[in-house]
This record gives sequence, structure tokens and C-alpha cells, in this order.
Amino acid sequence: GENVEQHPSTLSVQEGDSAVIKCTYSDSASNYFPWYKQELGKRPQLIIDIRSNVGEKKDQRIAVTLNKTAKHFSLHITETQPEDSAVYFCAASGLGSSNTGKLIFGQGTTLQVKP
Amino acid sequence: NAGVTQTPKFQVLKTGQSMTLQCAQDMNHEYMSWYRQDPGMGLRLIHYSVGAGITDQGEVPNGYNVSRSTTEDFPLRLLSAAPSQTSVYFCASSPRDRGLQETQYFGPGTRLLVL
Repeated sequence: GENVEQHPSTLSVQEGDSAVIKCTYSDSASNYFPWYKQELGKRPQLIIDIRSNVGEKKDQRIAVTLNKTAKHFSLHITETQPEDSAVYFCAASGLGSSNTGKLIFGQGTTLQVKP
Repeated sequence: NAGVTQTPKFQVLKTGQSMTLQCAQDMNHEYMSWYRQDPGMGLRLIHYSVGAGITDQGEVPNGYNVSRSTTEDFPLRLLSAAPSQTSVYFCASSPRDRGLQETQYFGPGTRLLVL
């Protein structure tokens, strides 16, 4: 089945610096790659997603890149702010053999932005 | 719309007890899923459903049962609770557009403690 590996598990940056989180996936049929942000005690919230027919997507300070050949995708946060501090999860969803859209998550990255 | 709702918010069980975690959504979403979240383990898929009457196992299905009799509801049953099932449980739903996975919306979570 699908497996998603996420690195690093923790990341600490200074306010204003950039942060990069990387994920790899195993199922070449995966075609949807969302990123979620989870603040302490809250539910995960979608921040950006990308489909397999696109190599890069941006939304203000957040961008995601996808390399289907290498089966990895990355989250880039520029000009980080203290409110970016949270746990970030990547995920991969593929049609697979059963044509279903189950979502498999990475282990999460705890991002700390120091003022 | 209330979105995805979960009850209860918090539950304490004794080993061997059974209970049902409730999940409902009012967005007419086809996909629904149950995840458990443990420290350092990310979000692990327990069971999921692509529509009423259709369910399938995720990554960690043992000890849990589900059914989907309506589009709106997707309850998760613990038949005989074990301390290893102490976790935070999230329900999520998503629409399916032209057969493709779309954004998953998470409920607020249920915190379960098994003694």
C-alpha cells in the first residue's frame, strides 16, 4: 500500500527565514498531494494542495513543488512568522487499484519560528 | 453548514468496554474517513468509505468496525477497548469531483483514554 515519508520531524527557523519540508511517496498512481497545518489542540486544516498534472503551486508565502519522477514533493514557506509555528502534515492520495481516494499522511513536522 | 461534527469530545473507557464514536457531515460529501493521531505517528487511516454502503480498511483497522448506512453518518465502533487504543480520533469528509479526491475537512476530534 501507499507509504509517505516526511522529513524533518522538527524544524526550527528564525522569523523571516524560509522553511522547507519534504515528503516522498511510494505509490506511483498517487495523484493528489495536500498539505495540512495543525495547531496545538486543533484539527488539521488544509493550507495548499497540488495535483499530479502540475509541478508547482503558490499561494502567497506558501508553495508546493512536485517531482513525479522522483516521487517526492515539498512545502516551502517564505518569510516565516511566529504564527506559522505548528505541526505540518503532507499526504498522498491515489486512485490505486480500487479506484478510491484514501489519503495517507506523513508523520508530521513540528515547525518552530523563533521571533 | 455545521461541517463535520464528532461526539463525544472526550471519553474515558475501561479495558474491554465497547463504545461508538459518532461522526456526521452535512455537506453531502461522498468520502468519509477515520484517523487516529498518536504522538510522533502522524495521522493513521483506520477505515474509510467512498459512499453509503461502501467501506474499506485503512492502515490500522484492527479493533475497529465501521458502517455507512447514510451519506451523512460514519460511526466508528470499538468492540473491546484496549489501552493501545488511547488516542485522538479524527473523522474527515471530502467531496469527489469527477472521480478525483478533493479537499478533506476534519472534525474537531474525540480524545479517548482507555484505562
